[in-house]
Amino acid sequence: GAVVSQHPSRVICKSGTSVKIECRSLDFQATTMFWYRQFPKQSLMLMATSNEGSKATYEQGVEKDKFLINHASLTLSTLTVTSAHPEDSSFYICSARGPGVSYNSPLHFGNGTRLTVT
Amino acid sequence: AQKITQTQPGMFVQEKEAVTLDCTYDTSDQSYGLFWYKQPSSGEMIFLIYQGSYDEQNATEGRYSLNFQKARKSANLVISASQLGDSAMYFCAMREPQTSGSRLTFGEGTQLTVNP
Repeated sequence: GAVVSQHPSRVICKSGTSVKIECRSLDFQATTMFWYRQFPKQSLMLMATSNEGSKATYEQGVEKDKFLINHASLTLSTLTVTSAHPEDSSFYICSARGPGVSYNSPLHFGNGTRLTVT
Repeated sequence: AQKITQTQPGMFVQEKEAVTLDCTYDTSDQSYGLFWYKQPSSGEMIFLIYQGSYDEQNATEGRYSLNFQKARKSANLVISASQLGDSAMYFCAMREPQTSGSRLTFGEGTQLTVNP
């Protein structure tokens, strides 16, 4: 089955620094990747949708200058949390889909990244 | 209005018994898909089962089945013969291709605890 790898699984950083999270599709070409954010005991909230080679589309209320998304290749998308603050501490999880996938295909998720900003 | 509603924040079930997790949805699309995912405490999202809006039969996958009632806009997940390893967060999700493309919208989730 389709495999999505996300790295790192956990990261602790100091307030004011930037953190990059990688999402890779290992055995398929991911034309579209989705980045979700999840607070403890809450649902997954879509942050942005990225299509390979084009700018990401951000959901309302998500700061695009703070959460930089790059989808430069068909197998890699990155989320960079810039100038991180403690309120950015959360679980970030990516998912991917390939080209020509029908609407009834499930999204394949990475294992998520737990970010703690101190 | 909420697109996906899961009204049970927490559910408890005895091992080996069946449990139903509720999910109702709201959409104006004629064609849509409903998904259930399991999220253990480790965080990964595990796809369980899918139901399409035009599917006439309820979906089944091993111990998982979906009680799909289109007129009531509900897609409840039934887990039979619960196991301790079923303890996890369960999310119902919907895809609306016409209005939202391939993204999934998730409900609030239900925390299932299986007791020995």
